[in-house]
Amino acid sequence: DAGVTQSPTHLIKTRGQQVTLRCSPKSGHDTVSWYQQALGQGPQFIFQYYEEEERQRGNFPDRFSGHQFPNYSSELNVNALLLGDSALYLCASSFDRGQARYYGYTFGSGTRLTVV
Amino acid sequence: DAKTTQPTSMDCAEGRAANLPCNHSTISGNEYVYWYRQIHSQGPQYIIHGLKNNETNEMASLIITEDRKSSTLILPHATLRDTAVYYCIVRAPSGGSYIPTFGRGTSLIVHP
Repeated sequence: DAGVTQSPTHLIKTRGQQVTLRCSPKSGHDTVSWYQQALGQGPQFIFQYYEEEERQRGNFPDRFSGHQFPNYSSELNVNALLLGDSALYLCASSFDRGQARYYGYTFGSGTRLTVV
Repeated sequence: DAKTTQPTSMDCAEGRAANLPCNHSTISGNEYVYWYRQIHSQGPQYIIHGLKNNETNEMASLIITEDRKSSTLILPHATLRDTAVYYCIVRAPSGGSYIPTFGRGTSLIVHP
C-alpha cells in the first residue's frame, strides 16, 4: 500500500519565479494538508484541502495557493518566490471521519525547495 | 502556536530506555496527545496517541499523567535508528484544534 508520494524531491528556483509541488495521498485518504518546514524548525501548517476546497489555512500569504483534484491528489503553488521560501514542503494525508478521525496523519518525504 | 513544551535535546545509550517528556498544561478535555518522530530528511512519522489511559504499541509506550498535563513517550530499547526529532502534539478529533500543530520537538540522539 503506497503511502504519501511527493514530487519532485528537490527543486531549485530563482527569486521571483513560481513553483508547483505535487502530492498523491495515501490510498483511502481524501484530505490533504501542506506544511512548510524551515531548517531547524518544526513543520508549519499552510492549508488543508478536502472535497477540492480549501478547508483550513494557516498564517501564510496569498502567494501560497493550492488545488485538490477529484482523485484527491493535490498541488501547492507558490508565486513570486522569496529567498525565505526555501524550505522542506511536506504533504500529509488523512481521512477525518468516523474512527479514522483519531488516527495520525501520514506524511510524505517532502520536496526540498531552494530559492536562489 | 504549539500547545506543548519539550526539552530541546536528549541523549540515550543504545539498548537503554529513552523517556521523552512533554508538558501540555492547557490541554482540553477532548484533545488527545499524539507523538510523531522525524528522521533526518524524511517526513514526520506517527508513533502513538492517547487520551488519558496509558497506551502501548509495537513502537513505543505513552504514559499520560492523571491530570493530563504532561506525558512521557517511552522507547523501551532504543537503537541507533531511533535517533530523530520527536514531536509531542495535542489535537482534537474535530473542531478548532484538529490540525496537528508542531513545535520544535526534542532531538534524541542514541549513542553506541
